[in-house]
Amino acid sequence: LAKTTQPISMDSYEGQEVNITCSHNNIATNDYITWYQQFPSQGPRFIIQGYKTKVTNEVASLFIPADRKSSTLSLPRVSLSDTAVYYCLVGDPSYGGSQGNLIFGKGTKLSVKP
Amino acid sequence: DSGVTQTPKHLITATGQRVTLRCSPRSGDLSVYWYQQSLDQGLQFLIQYYNGEERAKGNILERFSAQQFPDLHSELNLSSLELGDSALYFCASSVRAGYNEQFFGPGTRLTVL
Repeated sequence: LAKTTQPISMDSYEGQEVNITCSHNNIATNDYITWYQQFPSQGPRFIIQGYKTKVTNEVASLFIPADRKSSTLSLPRVSLSDTAVYYCLVGDPSYGGSQGNLIFGKGTKLSVKP
Repeated sequence: DSGVTQTPKHLITATGQRVTLRCSPRSGDLSVYWYQQSLDQGLQFLIQYYNGEERAKGNILERFSAQQFPDLHSELNLSSLELGDSALYFCASSVRAGYNEQFFGPGTRLTVL
């Protein structure tokens, strides 16, 4: 089974840039890497998705190296409201990639302090 | 608001009982996913349906079953409940089967006493 590894927790201060890295060996050729944000007692919320190199949207950037065995979510100038758990999602190649068993990482608990 | 609805919000029941959780996907989404989230296990994928057909299975127990109906709403049935089944159960939907941008509902909190 594919396995993802993320730091359990990170601390930051308001206004700083935060980078969260996810390691994902055995990622399938056709898989995409997706990041979600989750607040307590709420369902996860889609942040960004990418296949390779760099993707940017209005809230985050995603950096993926050529070997695709890791990815880095970058949150620019975080605020207190960015305090949440961030999950890295990749498809499981044992079940045919992103159309099969979907595996969330353990998540990274980001705490933003004033 | 993601557009995905789940009922009920809270459910308290006893061991050995059976419950049904309901999910209505976003309008136009054909794929429905079920997840279980407990404190010690994190977010666990249970099962996926696409346009009425089972598409993928994750760590779903044999005591659990699900289905997706012609109107695309889905139900997750949990039977012979145990204390360890207490968790948040999320439903998510997406447009396509292999599309990782999923929209999650607010969840159903199940407490088994």
